[in-house]
Amino acid sequence: ETGVTQSPTHLIKTRGQQVTLRCSSQSGHNTVSWYQQALGQGPQFIFQYYREEENGRGNFPPRFSGLQFPNYSSELNVNALELDDSALYLCASSLPLLGQLNTEAFFGQGTRLTVV
Amino acid sequence: DAKTTQPPSMDCAEGRAANLPCNHSTISGNEYVYWYRQIHSQGPQYIIHGLKNNETNEMASLIITEDRKSSTLILPHATLRDTAVYYCIVRSGRRGNAGNMLTFGGGTRLMVKP
Repeated sequence: ETGVTQSPTHLIKTRGQQVTLRCSSQSGHNTVSWYQQALGQGPQFIFQYYREEENGRGNFPPRFSGLQFPNYSSELNVNALELDDSALYLCASSLPLLGQLNTEAFFGQGTRLTVV
Repeated sequence: DAKTTQPPSMDCAEGRAANLPCNHSTISGNEYVYWYRQIHSQGPQYIIHGLKNNETNEMASLIITEDRKSSTLILPHATLRDTAVYYCIVRSGRRGNAGNMLTFGGGTRLMVKP
């Protein structure tokens, strides 16, 4: 158990619809990132939020957007769903400390999204 | 971040050491080597990381060559529960909030057999 929880665990949506996925970070972790993992592939970085601001983004179109709240929880929103958006969506949290060059990320169990 | 190369799959007998190699020949001076694993249908799990010295924790040991162009993750006594995909990731060291942008490759699928 990493303390990172995601909801829902599974979801089925129709092409063209919008979806919101949620993530509660480990207590005190102020940095949350989101990943997309297609079947049989490694996770791909979508974006990261630090103190409610996006501060890093991977190669994903603008219809992938997010929010981070004052309690550091986060949402991933995907508009105009496409069949290829079917994947496991993972959330990770960490607490980068000033002066530390690296910290590990703790991942949730993911949300399995199926677009039909 | 530097690219990594790993064998797509490996087998290991239960109770034996599992040695998982990773090549990162373009690694730069401030880049760390991280290892994560992903058990089927779960989120990735952090294992260990290092810069240039060998590292050991309760899960594994990480051996980094002197030129830092390759590394080996060692699971000293593999169990069936260690069956997973293992990812070697090179990540730059940055101060403050640089956080969690991890570049996952294909990883190595380790199968531990009885």
